[in-house]
Amino acid sequence: EAQVTQNPRYLITVTGKKLTVTCSQNMNHEYMSWYRQDPGLGLRQIYYSMNVEVTDKGDVPEGYKVSRKEKRNFPLILESPSPNQTSLYFCASSLRDFPVGELFFGEGSRLTVL
Amino acid sequence: GNSVTQMEGPVTLSEEAFLTINCTYTATGYPSLFWYVQYPGEGLQLLLKATKADDKGSNKGFEATYRKETTSFHLEKGSVQVSDSAVYFCALKNNNDMRFGAGTRLTVKP
Repeated sequence: EAQVTQNPRYLITVTGKKLTVTCSQNMNHEYMSWYRQDPGLGLRQIYYSMNVEVTDKGDVPEGYKVSRKEKRNFPLILESPSPNQTSLYFCASSLRDFPVGELFFGEGSRLTVL
Repeated sequence: GNSVTQMEGPVTLSEEAFLTINCTYTATGYPSLFWYVQYPGEGLQLLLKATKADDKGSNKGFEATYRKETTSFHLEKGSVQVSDSAVYFCALKNNNDMRFGAGTRLTVKP
């Protein structure tokens, strides 16, 4: 089954404790991206990657890191989480040229930073 | 820059009512336009899309027409069902830039 898998789905952590949210897709997609969803703000892009070893900042990259060492994986790293990073996070993937395709989303990871 | 503005919710309708969710956009060039739907506890999934002016996207009884003259892509459905209750996101893609609206929560009551 074609899917984007995120882990963990739910996480409560404390300020400053490094964490990683993993994202994996099994569709051989070149493009992967991370979004955060906050009430009233919709989805805002954190980072995206057009292919292996190629990553770019989105609209809200501060406080986050990513890596793309393999085509299928695109982990999101919070080196020193803060309460303003409490949010619902989505990973998404697509073929590189996706105006005629679609963006596939994971089920989301709800993060709470105390 | 690129941006999407959609009507604020929440929207509450009775079953079989007519639905319109307004969406307007700002972009240079010729973006592709999308509606995504998010059911409770799930990720977003593509509902419909249109890639050029005057295209009509349709799926599951929902429709939206790409109107370049009014920079709009309003979502419509003639008769909603309880199972349509979800959050709906208008989105555009312009080159490598993908933008989403804030989302509109729809609740359909029996």
